[in-house]
Amino acid sequence: AQSVTQPDIHITVSEGASLELRCNYSYGATPYLFWYVQSPGQGLQLLLKYFSGDTLVQGIKGFEAEFKRSQSSFNLRKPSVHWSDAAEYFCAAASGGGSQGNLIFGKGTKLSVKP
Amino acid sequence: DTEVTQTPKHLVMGMTNKKSLKCEQHMGHRAMYWYKQKAKKPPELMFVYSYEKLSINESVPSRFSPECPNSSLLNLHLHALQPEDSALYLCASSRIVGETQYFGPGTRLLVL
Repeated sequence: AQSVTQPDIHITVSEGASLELRCNYSYGATPYLFWYVQSPGQGLQLLLKYFSGDTLVQGIKGFEAEFKRSQSSFNLRKPSVHWSDAAEYFCAAASGGGSQGNLIFGKGTKLSVKP
Repeated sequence: DTEVTQTPKHLVMGMTNKKSLKCEQHMGHRAMYWYKQKAKKPPELMFVYSYEKLSINESVPSRFSPECPNSSLLNLHLHALQPEDSALYLCASSRIVGETQYFGPGTRLLVL
């Protein structure tokens, strides 16, 4: 079955430190991959997406993600975290059209930022 | 512009009430979605509309009734809800099914 796994439920980093959030997927073929961020009580904001091509993807707010086919991973990174980055982060995948185009979400990683 | 708007932001209703949630986008997207999200969980897909036709209903109880009156508007009609239906209801749209989904801010629903 298709699935997306975010191994870390909660991560705490100090402001200014680097960040990496992990995401692994299990699909028959390489899916489309996404990272969304959600602040408390808000909707989901798209940070970045990968469809094909360059495996290092740049997104908004200084985030980037690297697609590694050999590891079935799509990890999110940021070189220097700001207090405003504290939020829930969801990795998601979709494959093709029809019902295969439905997003499958990971369970999310909550990011806390220490001053 | 990738804006999806949802109204109302908050809604409190009794179990015998009838209410509706509204979602609107003006990006020319032909796929629209309803999700339900409980606290500390990822969104769960409820319905998918493609070209104004219902294409996916993820076994949602009939007390939730979606409607897509035109390509820009998506409604979710609520009737006889249960307290366990309290959640954040998110709307999303994409150019077509399978492409990048853009989410609205959600409606926080409380059923008493």
